[in-house]
Amino acid sequence: DGGITQSPKYLFRKEGQNVTLSCEQNLNHDAMYWYRQDPGQGLRLIYYSQIVNDFQKGDIAEGYSVSREKKESFPLTVTSAQKNPTAFYLCASMNQGAGEKLFFGSGTQLSVL
Amino acid sequence: QKEVEQDPGPLSVPEGAIVSLNCTYSNSAFQYFMWYRQYSRKGPELLMYTYSSGNKEDGRFTAQVDKSSKYISLFIRDSQPSDSATYLCAMRELNTGNQFYFGTGTSLTVIP
Repeated sequence: DGGITQSPKYLFRKEGQNVTLSCEQNLNHDAMYWYRQDPGQGLRLIYYSQIVNDFQKGDIAEGYSVSREKKESFPLTVTSAQKNPTAFYLCASMNQGAGEKLFFGSGTQLSVL
Repeated sequence: QKEVEQDPGPLSVPEGAIVSLNCTYSNSAFQYFMWYRQYSRKGPELLMYTYSSGNKEDGRFTAQVDKSSKYISLFIRDSQPSDSATYLCAMRELNTGNQFYFGTGTSLTVIP
Protein backbone atom coordinates (compact mmCIF):
# COMPACT_ATOMS: atom_id res chain seq x y z
CA ASP A 1 0.00 0.00 0.00
CA GLY A 2 1.15 3.55 -0.70
CA GLY A 3 1.79 5.73 2.26
CA ILE A 4 4.13 7.31 4.76
CA THR A 5 5.82 5.08 7.31
CA GLN A 6 7.24 6.49 10.52
CA SER A 7 9.31 4.47 12.95
CA PRO A 8 9.58 3.78 15.74
CA LYS A 9 6.11 4.43 17.15
CA TYR A 10 7.59 5.16 20.61
CA LEU A 11 11.11 6.35 21.38
CA PHE A 12 12.90 7.17 24.60
CA ARG A 13 15.90 9.45 24.85
CA LYS A 14 18.46 9.66 27.60
CA GLU A 15 20.01 12.97 28.55
CA GLY A 16 22.82 13.96 26.17
CA GLN A 17 21.81 11.41 23.57
CA ASN A 18 20.99 12.01 19.91
CA VAL A 19 18.08 10.03 18.48
CA THR A 20 16.88 9.63 14.90
CA LEU A 21 13.28 9.32 13.77
CA SER A 22 12.67 7.57 10.48
CA CYS A 23 10.25 8.68 7.76
CA GLU A 24 9.83 6.78 4.49
CA GLN A 25 7.24 7.40 1.75
CA ASN A 26 6.40 5.42 -1.38
CA LEU A 27 4.02 8.01 -2.82
CA ASN A 28 6.70 9.50 -5.11
CA HIS A 29 6.12 12.86 -3.45
CA ASP A 30 8.66 15.65 -3.90
CA ALA A 31 8.15 17.64 -0.70
CA MET A 32 8.52 16.24 2.81
CA TYR A 33 7.96 17.85 6.20
CA TRP A 34 8.59 17.33 9.89
CA TYR A 35 6.18 18.76 12.48
CA ARG A 36 6.18 18.73 16.23
CA GLN A 37 2.86 18.50 18.08
CA ASP A 38 2.47 19.52 21.71
CA PRO A 39 -0.85 19.53 23.57
CA GLY A 40 -2.76 22.75 22.92
CA GLN A 41 -0.16 24.14 20.53
CA GLY A 42 -1.09 22.64 17.21
CA LEU A 43 1.52 21.65 14.63
CA ARG A 44 4.84 23.47 14.46
CA LEU A 45 7.14 23.11 11.48
CA ILE A 46 10.65 21.86 12.20
CA TYR A 47 12.13 21.33 8.72
CA TYR A 48 10.89 20.80 5.20
CA SER A 49 12.45 19.64 1.95
CA GLN A 50 11.18 20.38 -1.54
CA ILE A 51 13.71 18.24 -3.38
CA VAL A 52 16.52 15.76 -2.77
CA ASN A 53 19.64 17.27 -1.16
CA ASP A 54 17.82 20.45 -0.23
CA PHE A 55 15.95 21.42 2.94
CA GLN A 56 14.87 24.55 4.82
CA LYS A 57 14.46 25.37 8.48
CA GLY A 58 10.99 25.80 9.84
CA ASP A 59 9.85 27.76 12.86
CA ILE A 60 11.51 25.57 15.52
CA ALA A 61 14.61 24.04 13.86
CA GLU A 62 17.02 24.62 16.75
CA GLY A 63 18.18 21.33 18.27
CA TYR A 64 17.11 19.29 15.23
CA SER A 65 18.83 18.18 12.03
CA VAL A 66 17.65 16.45 8.85
CA SER A 67 18.97 14.96 5.63
CA ARG A 68 17.37 14.26 2.25
CA GLU A 69 19.67 11.92 0.38
CA LYS A 70 16.84 9.99 -1.26
CA LYS A 71 13.43 11.13 -2.47
CA GLU A 72 11.71 8.49 -0.33
CA SER A 73 13.45 9.23 2.95
CA PHE A 74 13.61 12.24 5.29
CA PRO A 75 15.05 11.26 8.71
CA LEU A 76 14.95 13.67 11.64
CA THR A 77 17.66 13.71 14.32
CA VAL A 78 16.80 15.16 17.70
CA THR A 79 20.12 16.29 19.11
CA SER A 80 21.21 16.77 22.72
CA ALA A 81 20.88 20.52 22.11
CA GLN A 82 17.09 20.14 22.09
CA LYS A 83 16.37 20.55 25.79
CA ASN A 84 12.66 19.81 25.68
CA PRO A 85 12.23 17.02 23.13
CA THR A 86 9.20 15.30 24.60
CA ALA A 87 6.48 15.60 21.94
CA PHE A 88 4.60 13.80 19.19
CA TYR A 89 6.50 14.05 15.89
CA LEU A 90 4.73 13.91 12.55
CA CYS A 91 6.22 13.42 9.10
CA ALA A 92 4.25 14.53 6.04
CA SER A 93 4.64 14.66 2.28
CA MET A 94 3.08 16.46 -0.66
CA ASN A 95 3.17 16.03 -4.42
CA GLN A 96 3.79 19.50 -5.77
CA GLY A 97 1.65 20.56 -8.69
CA ALA A 98 -0.82 17.73 -8.23
CA GLY A 99 -3.43 19.13 -5.88
CA GLU A 100 -1.04 20.32 -3.20
CA LYS A 101 -2.46 17.91 -0.64
CA LEU A 102 -0.45 17.15 2.49
CA PHE A 103 -0.50 13.61 3.83
CA PHE A 104 0.77 12.48 7.23
CA GLY A 105 2.44 9.46 8.71
CA SER A 106 1.24 7.83 11.93
CA GLY A 107 3.66 9.69 14.18
CA THR A 108 6.42 8.98 16.70
CA GLN A 109 6.04 9.75 20.40
CA LEU A 110 9.40 10.80 21.85
CA SER A 111 9.88 10.89 25.60
CA VAL A 112 12.83 11.68 27.83
CA LEU A 113 14.00 9.10 30.38
CA GLN B 1 -1.94 37.53 15.99
CA LYS B 2 -1.73 33.96 14.75
CA GLU B 3 -2.18 33.30 11.05
CA VAL B 4 -4.96 30.79 11.77
CA GLU B 5 -7.31 30.84 14.76
CA GLN B 6 -9.39 27.85 15.85
CA ASP B 7 -11.49 27.41 18.98
CA PRO B 8 -9.97 24.45 20.86
CA GLY B 9 -13.27 23.42 22.44
CA PRO B 10 -13.84 20.87 23.79
CA LEU B 11 -17.12 20.37 21.98
CA SER B 12 -19.55 17.70 23.14
CA VAL B 13 -22.70 16.79 21.18
CA PRO B 14 -25.29 13.98 21.22
CA GLU B 15 -25.23 11.38 18.49
CA GLY B 16 -27.12 12.53 15.40
CA ALA B 17 -26.45 16.23 15.96
CA ILE B 18 -25.10 18.60 13.33
CA VAL B 19 -21.62 19.79 14.24
CA SER B 20 -20.11 23.08 13.09
CA LEU B 21 -16.35 23.62 13.32
CA ASN B 22 -14.74 26.90 12.31
CA CYS B 23 -11.45 28.65 11.65
CA THR B 24 -10.60 32.25 10.92
CA TYR B 25 -7.44 33.50 9.25
CA SER B 26 -5.65 36.75 8.59
CA ASN B 27 -3.70 36.12 5.38
CA SER B 28 -5.80 37.01 2.34
CA ALA B 29 -3.32 35.13 0.10
CA PHE B 30 -4.44 31.72 1.38
CA GLN B 31 -5.98 29.75 -1.49
CA TYR B 32 -5.91 26.11 -0.37
CA PHE B 33 -8.04 25.08 2.60
CA MET B 34 -8.06 21.70 4.31
CA TRP B 35 -9.68 19.89 7.21
CA TYR B 36 -7.98 17.02 8.96
CA ARG B 37 -9.30 14.54 11.52
CA GLN B 38 -6.87 13.26 14.14
CA TYR B 39 -7.55 10.46 16.57
CA SER B 40 -5.53 10.39 19.77
CA ARG B 41 -1.85 9.68 19.13
CA LYS B 42 -2.44 9.04 15.41
CA GLY B 43 -1.45 11.01 12.32
CA PRO B 44 -3.95 13.54 10.92
CA GLU B 45 -6.16 12.21 8.13
CA LEU B 46 -7.18 14.52 5.28
CA LEU B 47 -10.97 14.89 5.30
CA MET B 48 -11.76 17.79 2.99
CA TYR B 49 -9.77 19.87 0.55
CA THR B 50 -10.98 23.07 -1.10
CA TYR B 51 -9.34 25.45 -3.51
CA SER B 52 -10.43 29.11 -3.23
CA SER B 53 -14.02 29.86 -2.23
CA GLY B 54 -17.22 27.87 -2.17
CA ASN B 55 -18.65 24.69 -0.74
CA LYS B 56 -17.66 21.08 -1.04
CA GLU B 57 -19.64 18.10 0.12
CA ASP B 58 -18.50 14.54 0.77
CA GLY B 59 -21.00 12.25 2.43
CA ARG B 60 -21.83 13.64 5.88
CA PHE B 61 -19.15 16.31 5.63
CA THR B 62 -19.45 19.79 4.08
CA ALA B 63 -16.63 22.30 3.88
CA GLN B 64 -17.32 25.99 3.31
CA VAL B 65 -14.87 28.78 2.50
CA ASP B 66 -15.81 32.46 2.77
CA LYS B 67 -12.76 34.38 1.61
CA SER B 68 -14.44 37.77 2.03
CA SER B 69 -14.80 37.08 5.76
CA LYS B 70 -11.60 34.99 6.00
CA TYR B 71 -13.62 32.20 7.56
CA ILE B 72 -13.84 28.48 6.88
CA SER B 73 -16.23 25.90 8.29
CA LEU B 74 -16.66 22.15 8.46
CA PHE B 75 -20.15 20.75 9.02
CA ILE B 76 -20.74 17.16 10.11
CA ARG B 77 -24.30 15.86 9.68
CA ASP B 78 -25.75 12.93 11.63
CA SER B 79 -22.70 12.85 13.87
CA GLN B 80 -21.52 9.44 15.08
CA PRO B 81 -19.44 8.38 18.10
CA SER B 82 -16.70 7.45 15.62
CA ASP B 83 -16.47 11.15 14.70
CA SER B 84 -15.03 11.81 18.16
CA ALA B 85 -11.56 13.21 17.41
CA THR B 86 -9.62 16.44 17.09
CA TYR B 87 -10.29 18.41 13.90
CA LEU B 88 -7.53 20.57 12.45
CA CYS B 89 -7.93 23.23 9.81
CA ALA B 90 -5.01 24.02 7.52
CA MET B 91 -4.33 26.42 4.70
CA ARG B 92 -1.64 27.65 2.40
CA GLU B 93 -0.89 30.23 -0.26
CA LEU B 94 -0.76 29.66 -3.98
CA ASN B 95 2.71 29.42 -5.53
CA THR B 96 4.52 30.87 -2.55
CA GLY B 97 6.73 28.30 -0.90
CA ASN B 98 5.36 25.09 0.50
CA GLN B 99 4.41 26.03 4.02
CA PHE B 100 1.09 25.04 5.55
CA TYR B 101 -0.54 26.93 8.40
CA PHE B 102 -2.55 24.98 10.95
CA GLY B 103 -5.16 25.79 13.53
CA THR B 104 -4.61 24.36 17.02
CA GLY B 105 -7.45 21.89 16.58
CA THR B 106 -10.95 21.46 18.06
CA SER B 107 -11.64 18.43 20.24
CA LEU B 108 -15.03 16.85 19.48
CA THR B 109 -16.86 14.19 21.47
CA VAL B 110 -20.06 12.62 20.13
CA ILE B 111 -22.05 11.04 22.95
CA PRO B 112 -24.05 7.87 22.12
